[in-house]
Amino acid sequence: AQSVSQHNHHVILSEAASLELGCNYSYGGTVNLFWYVQYPGQHLQLLLKYFSGDPLVKGIKGFEAEFIKSKFSFNLRKPSVQWSDTAEYFCAVTSYGNNRLAFGKGNQVVVIP
Amino acid sequence: KAGVTQTPRYLIKTRGQQVTLSCSPISGHRSVSWYQQTPGQGLQFLFEYFSETQRNKGNFPGRFSGRQFSNSRSEMNVSTLELGDSALYLCASSLDGTSNQPQHFGDGTRLSIL
Repeated sequence: AQSVSQHNHHVILSEAASLELGCNYSYGGTVNLFWYVQYPGQHLQLLLKYFSGDPLVKGIKGFEAEFIKSKFSFNLRKPSVQWSDTAEYFCAVTSYGNNRLAFGKGNQVVVIP
Repeated sequence: KAGVTQTPRYLIKTRGQQVTLSCSPISGHRSVSWYQQTPGQGLQFLFEYFSETQRNKGNFPGRFSGRQFSNSRSEMNVSTLELGDSALYLCASSLDGTSNQPQHFGDGTRLSIL
């Protein structure tokens, strides 16, 4: 079974700071990678996804992520965060042909105005 | 178009009872998956249904079951409830359940067991 690791569960930073959240997965075959965000009181929403092609993918709200196959990583970045980015962020993986999402434990991000 | 709708939003049950949760997927979506979210274990996959058939199952006991109807709506049932079943249960739908399609999540049903 796949496993997904997210480190630094709690992240606190000031507005305009840069954010990087790490994500590592265990599966060695073809994978599909996702970052989801859960704003307070809201449902999980898709931030961005990677299936194939350019390993640098851009998502909504200025987020981007880079897939590094050799490191089994899919790190999320945002150059300058805003207070409205306060949320929990989840990295998730499916393997080719299997729709089952394996999630990391999530990163709780708090942005201080 | 309307998103994934889950009912009810909140449920309180006692140990030993059973419960049924409902999920209406986005119109046109045929795959429905269920996940359990708890503070300790995070988000864990329960099962996936496609065309009224269970296509995938997670590592949960047989007390957890589900079904899908011809209109793609899905229900999950938990029998003989235990305290540890207290969680947020999330439903997600996707167009045809291929692995590279994003899943769209509902608001969840928060189940509390007393």
